[in-house]
Amino acid sequence: ETGVTQTPRHLVMGMTNKKSLKCEQHLGHNAMYWYKQSAKKPLELMFVYSLEERVENNSVPSRFSPECPNSSHLFLHLHTLQPEDSALYLCASSEVGDIMGEKLFFGSGTQLSVL
Amino acid sequence: GNSVTQMEGPVTLSEEAFLTINCTYTATGYPSLFWYVQYPGEGLQLLLKATKADDKGSNKGFEATYRKETTSFHLEKGSVQVSDSAVYFCALKAAGNKLTFGGGTRVLVKP
Repeated sequence: ETGVTQTPRHLVMGMTNKKSLKCEQHLGHNAMYWYKQSAKKPLELMFVYSLEERVENNSVPSRFSPECPNSSHLFLHLHTLQPEDSALYLCASSEVGDIMGEKLFFGSGTQLSVL
Repeated sequence: GNSVTQMEGPVTLSEEAFLTINCTYTATGYPSLFWYVQYPGEGLQLLLKATKADDKGSNKGFEATYRKETTSFHLEKGSVQVSDSAVYFCALKAAGNKLTFGGGTRVLVKP
């Protein structure tokens, strides 16, 4: 198993659909992150969880809803998205004590297309 | 606020050519600086870092020197390979803040 696994790799959804992105880490980390990667834009930090508690929410619209049931799993629930939400969504984790995310381990991402 | 600016790319070059990717930053205090690399179909991974002025980070033949006077952290490699084709992200972390990434620079190395 690779360190950080994201599923699905690709997702196409309509604006009225509800879907979820899943992230699983096998590194024993205690912090997990969601990033959004859009073309020609810097990575945008969306959410940070530490010890399964949300510690940061960077003004993300409520149509994105994160869930962290335990330190190994992170979900991003999606509903009524807009076409401009199409992007690569990256999950990352970091080691114990590195809550500031100095050394992040990333998954391969979910490429999301909203029609 | 903190920000990172890097050349947009794509940068296309031949194998064994010299690679430079420019990165400049704006930050309060004395940030740590990083280069992350994203190979095709993969997530980002840390390539190298420098934590104070004049430090040089190096890994896999890549180097970057923390230049406080020019607020820069340019990435260089003397002889690139096809396997170096990737997107390279410059990033900074100031005290008490999360990582701030630049927009990424796509590099394509042709045989």
